[in-house]
Amino acid sequence: EAGVVQSPRYKIIEKKQPVAFWCNPISGHNTLYWYLQNLGQGPELLIRYENEEAVDDSQLPKDRFSAERLKGVDSTLKIQPAELGDSAVYLCASSFSGGPGDEQFFGPGTRLTVL
Amino acid sequence: RKEVEQDPGPFNVPEGATVAFNCTYSNSASQSFFWYRQDCRKEPKLLMSVYSSGNEDGRFTAQLNRASQYISLLIRDSKLSDSATYLCVVNGRSQGNLIFGKGTKLSVKP
Repeated sequence: EAGVVQSPRYKIIEKKQPVAFWCNPISGHNTLYWYLQNLGQGPELLIRYENEEAVDDSQLPKDRFSAERLKGVDSTLKIQPAELGDSAVYLCASSFSGGPGDEQFFGPGTRLTVL
Repeated sequence: RKEVEQDPGPFNVPEGATVAFNCTYSNSASQSFFWYRQDCRKEPKLLMSVYSSGNEDGRFTAQLNRASQYISLLIRDSKLSDSATYLCVVNGRSQGNLIFGKGTKLSVKP
């Protein structure tokens, strides 16, 4: 069975440019998460979806970040405009039901470099 | 105070050594506890859940002390392949969310 798929794996852009990341969760997983991981830190949640609904976006910097999960499957995370401090790894994860004991399965991440 | 705090590391140990990682968490209402493993430039993967009574999986033993809000992971007879960063993870105030510690890096040397 395929795991969580993310693309692109790497992205280099200049500051002030827009960038988008795509995620395809494990089939049948209703809950999808976007995390940001800085070097030497653990992942930090940006947004969590239950099907199409964003149930927790409290940590998403809404002035420049946006996300969508149309049809409750694939998701896109966008940054516009990107800043130097946005350089990080963006991880997508999914779980079956989003319950507190559910294992989250992570994709390989998109490594963003903003120049 | 950070929600999940771990030993800063890194831990450099010889093969066969026993190594212990410690973690504390701040939210006394947390109900779910995990250890995730992250290899260099890879995604985190679940190593094991942590249960109140403590649990063991082969060479790995996890313990939870709710009163002290403390979690531990013990690795016995460490292997070269155990080299990775170990992330302590606790569910957040929104029950489906996970809060990750910064991780402790382990290097097992021949």
